[in-house]
Amino acid sequence: GAVVSQHPSRVICKSGTSVKIECRSLDFQATTMFWYRQFPKQSLMLMATSNEGSKATYEQGVEKDKFLINHASLTLSTLTVTSAHPEDSSFYICSAKRGPDTEAFFGQGTRLTVV
Amino acid sequence: GQNIDQPTEMTATEGAIVQINCTYQTSGFNGLFWYQQHAGEAPTFLSYNVLDGLEETGRFSSFLSRSDSYGYLLLQELQMKDSASYLCAVMDSNYQLIWGAGTKLIIKP
Repeated sequence: GAVVSQHPSRVICKSGTSVKIECRSLDFQATTMFWYRQFPKQSLMLMATSNEGSKATYEQGVEKDKFLINHASLTLSTLTVTSAHPEDSSFYICSAKRGPDTEAFFGQGTRLTVV
Repeated sequence: GQNIDQPTEMTATEGAIVQINCTYQTSGFNGLFWYQQHAGEAPTFLSYNVLDGLEETGRFSSFLSRSDSYGYLLLQELQMKDSASYLCAVMDSNYQLIWGAGTKLIIKP
């Protein structure tokens, strides 16, 4: 199956700093990548959809200036949490798809803790 | 609005069979997916149904009835490692995944 690598798996940062999370499709080209946030015991909440070479489409209620998404190539998308605050602490997961009607493969997820 | 319904929690015994149901109301339909998620980990893909009927992959099977907007995941010969949350997701007409809240499956010895 397809492999999606997400890095780092865990990160602790101080309030006010920025954190970058990388999502790479290792053995396929991902036309679309998705970023999710998951709170404890809840389902995935889609934050944004990014297509290579174009601006990300953010879901309602997600601050695009706070959660910067870059999809510079067909194998790499990054999520930067800017000026992080404790309430941003969460589990962030990326997924990637080869094409519009294919299944999504997930990265390992990143546990972000803001102190 | 779009909605995916699945039970919040189910309990079953090791070695038994369990069926997790999923009903959906979405804008269009391009497939029903099942993912397994262990606590603290990202989801892993289990199955994909786009045509009516049963798809079997080892101990796991998935069923779809598009006319009923209904599907289920069937787990056989349950093992303790099957304890996890099972997420139902439907791909809508825009090829976006709409997620259910997940079913927490508890396996007892």
